[in-house]
Amino acid sequence: AAGVIQSPRHLIKEKRETATLKCYPIPRHDTVYWYQQGPGQDPQFLISFYEKMQSDKGSIPDRFSAQQFSDYHSELNMSSLELGDSALYFCASSLVRRERYGYTFGSGTRLTVV
Amino acid sequence: DAKTTQPTSMDCAEGRAANLPCNHSTISGNEYVYWYRQIHSQGPQYIIHGLKNNETNEMASLIITEDRKSSTLILPHATLRDTAVYYCIVRVAYNAGNMLTFGGGTRLMVKP
Repeated sequence: AAGVIQSPRHLIKEKRETATLKCYPIPRHDTVYWYQQGPGQDPQFLISFYEKMQSDKGSIPDRFSAQQFSDYHSELNMSSLELGDSALYFCASSLVRRERYGYTFGSGTRLTVV
Repeated sequence: DAKTTQPTSMDCAEGRAANLPCNHSTISGNEYVYWYRQIHSQGPQYIIHGLKNNETNEMASLIITEDRKSSTLILPHATLRDTAVYYCIVRVAYNAGNMLTFGGGTRLMVKP
């Protein structure tokens, strides 16, 4: 079965640089979520999209932005990177009316800022 | 969303049942109990969810008390691959944008 695809798997950036993370949800899923997980921490919700419209916002810094495109893939754009942005970034997708299957998470992108 | 309380850590012998408790005494009538787990550095994985009836799937069983103030996730025959952090999450389902909030999970260690 198709899963949530995230790219790249690993990314190394320098401070003050920009990074773009991509997420391809499961086909026909209508909702995408982004999470950030720092070392030793629980995943923290950043932002979500339902049918290509932003639906909820968590603790996402102003330096970060995200969008969902017409083909339902989503991108998380991160500017002016800081050392503290080093983390695992997970994308998840779901189909609201069939939530018995829960969210499906991707394998994540490991961002290292040096 | 209702707050949940779980033990910080638990051990279980391989092949035995793992019973993971969760308290959610402030749960509302329209909130479901969800269980997810996260194996080290992997994306969280959905296990099971329920409203008030006990539920079973190929991965686990979920027992919810009659007053819905607590629940137990049961892994019937734990294997080493079940070592993970298990999160009990209470939230309203079928609501776009109602995100999962992870916090205070149980670190289950399955030992040979």
